[in-house]
Amino acid sequence: DTEVTQTPKHLVMGMTNKKSLKCEQHMGHRAMYWYKQKAKKPPELMFVYSYEKLSINESVPSRFSPECPNSSLLNLHLHALQPEDSALYLCASSTRQAREQYFGPGTRLTVT
Amino acid sequence: GQNIDQPTEMTATEGAIVQINCTYQTSGFNGLFWYQQHAGEAPTFLSYNVLDGLEEKGRFSSFLSRSKGYSYLLLKELQMKDSASYLCAVSFNDYKLSFGAGTTVTVRA
Repeated sequence: DTEVTQTPKHLVMGMTNKKSLKCEQHMGHRAMYWYKQKAKKPPELMFVYSYEKLSINESVPSRFSPECPNSSLLNLHLHALQPEDSALYLCASSTRQAREQYFGPGTRLTVT
Repeated sequence: GQNIDQPTEMTATEGAIVQINCTYQTSGFNGLFWYQQHAGEAPTFLSYNVLDGLEEKGRFSSFLSRSKGYSYLLLKELQMKDSASYLCAVSFNDYKLSFGAGTTVTVRA
């Protein structure tokens, strides 16, 4: 089973809203990732969690706040986003960092 | 450095073979991955190379030369469903995955 699930599939939010994206995997992977992808561009790394600890933050604005409640779950809390934050947000996991990553289907976010 | 280069677009006929090249800076190399991404969908893992040589998986094969900083993805017996973007991604010593810009492959009947 190489499934990573993400909810919701689509999200429309205003610039003053607070929302959360959720990601779950049951493959026993110990590294989990958040990526942002704009149309016709490759995924851009945002955050990496390794063994439930934040190991990489790619200088992401504080309006994005990651959380890893346990080894299977990864959240991305959103607050006061800008229209340019509209994108596909992808979660991925791997057995450990530097091994193949398996991506979830993504959340299509639109900020109005 | 991460400069990962791959062609922007390639077109081929159904049943043919296409080879997508990828070059990268060799310093700090830790592994190379190929992903397939259909429009509007998430990337799907295709292959992983960390040692020199050819890895074959059905119709898809991937080759790596670490000394040359070079890889290719070979797609054989092309099918219409192979029309997608193919992403070359490299892991360096910082354990971050750096993606190339992607190669859009169009398969024509």
